[in-house]
Amino acid sequence: NAGVTQTPKFQVLKTGQSMTLQCAQDMNHEYMSWYRQDPGMGLRLIHYSVGAGITDQGEVPNGYNVSRSTTEDFPLRLLSAAPSQTSVYFCASSSGTVNEKLFFGSGTQLSVL
Amino acid sequence: RKEVEQDPGPFNVPEGATVAFNCTYSNSASQSFFWYRQDCRKEPKLLMSVYSSGNEDGRFTAQLNRASQYISLLIRDSKLSDSATYLCAVYYGNNRLAFGKGNQVVVIP
Repeated sequence: NAGVTQTPKFQVLKTGQSMTLQCAQDMNHEYMSWYRQDPGMGLRLIHYSVGAGITDQGEVPNGYNVSRSTTEDFPLRLLSAAPSQTSVYFCASSSGTVNEKLFFGSGTQLSVL
Repeated sequence: RKEVEQDPGPFNVPEGATVAFNCTYSNSASQSFFWYRQDCRKEPKLLMSVYSSGNEDGRFTAQLNRASQYISLLIRDSKLSDSATYLCAVYYGNNRLAFGKGNQVVVIP
């Protein structure tokens, strides 16, 4: 059982480039979310989804898009990368709501130059 | 005031000693509380939920003080393997789980 799988693990982008961070879970979890973690800032919620076809904004959604076409996948798109988006990104899922145990992926270290 | 606040530390703890730290939250309507453990350059993992009456899991004890709006984590008989960052998480409803910045614990031999 793989749990939550994130790819890539590391990525370097130039300002203005776009890319998609992939997240997949094989636990049939309804709830999925994306967080970013910056030094001194803690984990901040970017977007979340409570099921296929349903997404909503979190605390810091600007510059990011998400979609949830299947229960398993929840990709995060950076539309036009900026240096302020340099961070570690974590995808997380839970079986019910976020009020239950969150399972995190191993993270993506993104640097925007 | 931030939703969830933690003193980042580091908390330097001699091996075998006890360490405790708190996490304060701003919204009195908060419904659920958790402690997550995060090792260096790794993903957070749930350590324990925090129940109203307090709860223990081995050497770890979590408590909730609703009147003063904080939760606490106590680690007894600290092991070198306890060195990590401990993240407090508070559920506010609307599918939002807010995290603190974490308490960094360093257990010293």
